[in-house]
Amino acid sequence: EIVLTQSPGTLSLSPGERGTLSCRASQSVSSSNLAWYQQKPGQAPRLLIYGASSRATGIPDRFSGSGSGTDFTLTISRLEPEDFAVYYCQQYGSSSWTFGQGTKVDIK
Amino acid sequence: EVQLVETGGGLIQPGGSLRLSCAASGFTVSSRYMNWVRQAPGKGLEWVSIIYSGGYTSHADSVKGRFTISRDSSKNTVYLQMNSLRAEDTAVYYCARAGEALAAAGLFNYWGQGTLVTVSS
Repeated sequence: EIVLTQSPGTLSLSPGERGTLSCRASQSVSSSNLAWYQQKPGQAPRLLIYGASSRATGIPDRFSGSGSGTDFTLTISRLEPEDFAVYYCQQYGSSSWTFGQGTKVDIK
Repeated sequence: EVQLVETGGGLIQPGGSLRLSCAASGFTVSSRYMNWVRQAPGKGLEWVSIIYSGGYTSHADSVKGRFTISRDSSKNTVYLQMNSLRAEDTAVYYCARAGEALAAAGLFNYWGQGTLVTVSS
């Protein structure tokens, strides 16, 4: 099973700032099958990024993903008020599929 | 429009059984990879089960032998039969539809609102 470790656990930022979230895998993620999800309190997760760098339908271009192998990054270029949430990375290249423990982005 | 609606959650004693349902609309469940993903209170996400379009199923080690995923094409509904429930199965259970390609069977692009299962005496 591939273990995903996200850092930091909490990221405190102000609106308009840039946010950089990290996801490290215990072994290489095949074909860059790495996704990012956003989850707000009381809501289901929402797919943001798939294939490490492709934005899902309707996702604003301030969200971008990068990386390959074992190191991946989600960048939010300018935080909007609605972006404060928990973000999870997930690998879907090797079953059973696994998630990171999450990074909470909160308001500074 | 794709919609997934989960029902069937509730309070159940340890060792008991429960069946969750996921009613789908806007697509046919038998043509897609359908999954269950759970989230314990205040915790992260854990993949639980998948049923492939061809009918093959797979389960996480943590539930193997206790949970069974199935579907009823006539009702366009996916089920999760949960037996021998334990306190650690307490979670919100989400139904999630995956991508079209086999390589995206574990990529969850549509989610239901979730149903809470509480295992406690």
